[in-house]
Amino acid sequence: KNEVEQSPQNLTAQEGEFITINCSYSVGISALHWLQQHPGGGIVSLFMLSSGKKKHGRLIATINIQEKHSSLHITASHPRDSAVYICAVWERDYGGSQGNLIFGKGTKLSVKP
Amino acid sequence: GAGVSQSPRYKVAKRGQDVALRCDPISGHVSLFWYQQALGQGPEFLTYFQNEAQLDKSGLPSDRFFAERPEGSVSTLKIQRTQQEDSAVYLCASSSRRVGTRGDGYTFGSGTRLTVV
Repeated sequence: KNEVEQSPQNLTAQEGEFITINCSYSVGISALHWLQQHPGGGIVSLFMLSSGKKKHGRLIATINIQEKHSSLHITASHPRDSAVYICAVWERDYGGSQGNLIFGKGTKLSVKP
Repeated sequence: GAGVSQSPRYKVAKRGQDVALRCDPISGHVSLFWYQQALGQGPEFLTYFQNEAQLDKSGLPSDRFFAERPEGSVSTLKIQRTQQEDSAVYLCASSSRRVGTRGDGYTFGSGTRLTVV
């Protein structure tokens, strides 16, 4: 059972294109993260959001709690945006002791010049 | 330190060899997590520490995996008698908040890529 689903799995775009990556989840959450992972493996947290919309530079993240859906948008994409983008949710009301950050499998983005 | 530091960045081990992976979290961070990320997959939870206490190790795949954080700062993930299926990127993350409080941004390390041959 995949509690966090991302689409598409792979995405190839031309430089300058507007990009959307989608994330749907099936559990109740208190927050959702968008993460960026470069080929070397390191992960950078882009956004953490629990409602509405956040913007940072060319990146925009939105979330609809009722629909259990979030999107990550990249405007004016650039080859340096090429990376794997991972959606992860923090499960609400989790009774266990672990962090229970549930990860999607990631979307591999390649932006061609 | 300024970020979460993991070492080594890359490790090639022969099957059956023991390995030790190190994580230096951000100074003062209470929570520390280990994740295993297989090729093409999202990270999977392995274990969680709050200070020096290992509060959850339910994600460790077998008793060959062992983690410790004896002084509540640096953590070591040890894998004994490595197998090919252990090949993955091992990620460490730390947070200033305790689990159960409102979710906060994690800081991830760059990971250790383990290849078992």
